[in-house]
Amino acid sequence: AQTVTQSQPEMSVQEAETVTLSCTYDTSENNYYLFWYKQPPSRQMILVIRQEAYKQQNATENRFSVNFQKAAKSFSLKISDSQLGDTAMYFCAFNDGGSQGNLIFGKGTKLSVKP
Amino acid sequence: KAGVTQTPRYLIKTRGQQVTLSCSPISGHRSVSWYQQTPGQGLQFLFEYFSETQRNKGNFPGRFSGRQFSNSRSEMNVSTLELGDSALYLCASSLGSGGAPNEQFFGPGTRLTVL
Repeated sequence: AQTVTQSQPEMSVQEAETVTLSCTYDTSENNYYLFWYKQPPSRQMILVIRQEAYKQQNATENRFSVNFQKAAKSFSLKISDSQLGDTAMYFCAFNDGGSQGNLIFGKGTKLSVKP
Repeated sequence: KAGVTQTPRYLIKTRGQQVTLSCSPISGHRSVSWYQQTPGQGLQFLFEYFSETQRNKGNFPGRFSGRQFSNSRSEMNVSTLELGDSALYLCASSLGSGGAPNEQFFGPGTRLTVL
C-alpha cells in the first residue's frame, strides 16, 4: 500500500523568506502523480502544485516549486518570498494514476508565516 | 463558476443515529470524492463516484455509504453513528475523465459531531 509521510508537523518562517516542506512517499508504481494542497484556516483545500512522476523537470507555480527526487521517493515544496497569506496546513498527496479520485494524503505540516 | 458546495456545514448527532451529507460539484464535473479528516488519522479517502457509479472505495466499514445522482450531486450516509465518526467530511469534485488524475476542487466541508 502506498504511504505518504510528512515529518514536520509544524514550521514557521519570517515574511519574505524561503521555506521548504518535506514529503516522502512509498510506492512500487513507476508512474504516479504527486500534489501539494494548501488548507488555510477557513478550511477550503486548494491545489498548490502537481508533479507527474514521468516528468523529470520539477514543477513550478509562481513562488511555489518542488524538488522531486524519484529514486529517493522525495517530494519537497519550496515557498519563496513567503507571504502572510501562505499561513496554512500543507498536505502532500499521492495518486497512483490508476484511479482518478483517490488521493492518499500525508498528515500535513502547519506553516506559520510571521511578520 | 460556483465552487463545490456542501450541506449542512455543521451537524450534531447522537450515537446510534444516522446522517446524510450532501455535496454539489462544480458544474461539468462528473467525479465526486469524499474524505474524512480527523486530527488523529488525518485525511482519509472514503469513496469516489463517477457517472452515478462508485469507482473507488477506501478502507471504511459498510456503515459509510454514498450515491451519486444524474446531475452529479452526491450524498454520503453514515448509519449507526459512533463517537469516532466525529470529523470534518470533505467532498471534492473533478472532471474525472482522461488518463491523468484531474485537479480535485474541495468544498468547505461538513463538521459532524457525534455525542
